[in-house]
Amino acid sequence: QKEVEQNSGPLSVPEGAIASLNCTYSDRGSQSFFWYRQYSGKSPELIMSIYSNGDKEDGRFTAQLNKASQYVSLLIRDSQPSDSATYLCAVNRPQGAQKLVFGQGTRLTINP
Amino acid sequence: EPEVTQTPSHQVTQMGQEVILRCVPISNHLYFYWYRQILGQKVEFLVSFYNNEISEKSEIFDDQFSVERPDGSNFTLKIRSTKLEDSAMYFCASGRDGGNPDSYNEQFFGPGTRLTVL
Repeated sequence: QKEVEQNSGPLSVPEGAIASLNCTYSDRGSQSFFWYRQYSGKSPELIMSIYSNGDKEDGRFTAQLNKASQYVSLLIRDSQPSDSATYLCAVNRPQGAQKLVFGQGTRLTINP
Repeated sequence: EPEVTQTPSHQVTQMGQEVILRCVPISNHLYFYWYRQILGQKVEFLVSFYNNEISEKSEIFDDQFSVERPDGSNFTLKIRSTKLEDSAMYFCASGRDGGNPDSYNEQFFGPGTRLTVL
C-alpha cells in the first residue's frame, strides 16, 4: 500500500467550476497535511496546510481533512486556467524530524 | 517575501564526479531539508537537518551523500561520486520552528537544481 495515494489524473474541469482533488494516506498517526501546487518544470509551492478534522478555507481554496477515513481533499472554487498544474498531497510522518511524504500528484487542467 | 534560493539552476557532470548543490534557506528558519524528484516521479525526501546535525535521512541518502551548513546562511548537499541514477531535480526546503499551531511544519521549497549525470 502506498503511503500517500492520489489519482494521477489528468482531471479536466471547465473554467469557473469547482475542482476537487483527493488524497488518502496510510499512516494513521500522521499529524500534518499539505497541498502543494507544482507547475511543469518548477518547484512545489505550498498552498494549504491543515492539521485538524474539518474544513480550512483560504481564498478560493478549501482543504478538508477526515482523520478517521485517512482522507484529505482540496477544493478549488471558480477554477481559472492559471490553476492548471499538478497538485501534490504531502503528509508529515509522526516520527522523526518532520519529513514530508508526497503523493504522486494529480494533474489538473482547467479548460477555458 | 523571503524565499529559499538555490544554485546552480542546472548542473551537468560526468559520472563519478563530485557535485555540490547550494541552498540559502529563509533566514529565520531552523529546519532544513533536501528532496529530489526524478523526472515524472514523486518528490522524495533525502535528509533533514536541525541544530547543525542530520535529524533524519532516507535510504537514498547513502555514504555518497553529505550535507553541511558551512556558515549561518548556506546549506549544501554534496554527492561524492555521481551515478547516472542521481540525475534528478534537487529541491532544498526550509521550515520554521513549530511554535505556531497554524503553520506547524510548513516547508517552503527553493526553485531546485536540475542535476544531469552523463
